[in-house]
Amino acid sequence: GENVEQHPSTLSVQEGDSAVIKCTYSDSASNYFPWYKQELGKRPQLIIDIRSNVGEKKDQRIAVTLNKTAKHFSLHITETQPEDSAVYFCAAKGGSNNNDMRFGAGTRLTVKP
Amino acid sequence: GAGVSQSPSNKVTEKGKDVELRCDPISGHTALYWYRQRLGQGLEFLIYFQGNSAPDKSGLPSDRFSAERTGESVSTLTIQRTQQEDSAVYLCASSLAVRGSYEQYFGPGTRLTVT
Repeated sequence: GENVEQHPSTLSVQEGDSAVIKCTYSDSASNYFPWYKQELGKRPQLIIDIRSNVGEKKDQRIAVTLNKTAKHFSLHITETQPEDSAVYFCAAKGGSNNNDMRFGAGTRLTVKP
Repeated sequence: GAGVSQSPSNKVTEKGKDVELRCDPISGHTALYWYRQRLGQGLEFLIYFQGNSAPDKSGLPSDRFSAERTGESVSTLTIQRTQQEDSAVYLCASSLAVRGSYEQYFGPGTRLTVT
């Protein structure tokens, strides 16, 4: 089955700096890669996603890049703010007829004011 | 509309007892997932239901864990003979799971404490 690895496990940045979180996946048939944000004591919520036919997607301060050949994808947050502090999870969905979703172990991002 | 709901929100049980956790997905969502999240840890996949297909049980940690779903409605996760290491938040998520719409909507979770 799919195996998703995520790095780093913790990340601390100064407010205004950029943050980058990286994930790799094992199943070359995977075709959908979401990122979820989980604030303390709350449920995970989707913040951005990318499909395998796209190399990059941007939404305001958040962007995701995908390298299918290398089987890795990254989350980029620019101009970080204290409210970006949370745990971020990447995930990968199986191929066309497979909606199995596996998550990375998470990255705890702390943005220091 | 209503989101994913789970019950109970908190459950404290004695070691060795059985527990049943419930998940009500969003109406019309064909896919339903159960995850376990230990304190400060990631989302550990347990089981996945897709419509009337056989569920993917590959994440269940032992035969003490089982789950059922009737059609595309409610799901229950049962843990028999609970152990202290079962203490965690159990999250359920549902998804429309059709082309172009794979976002998972999570429930609030059930916090299970085994004493």
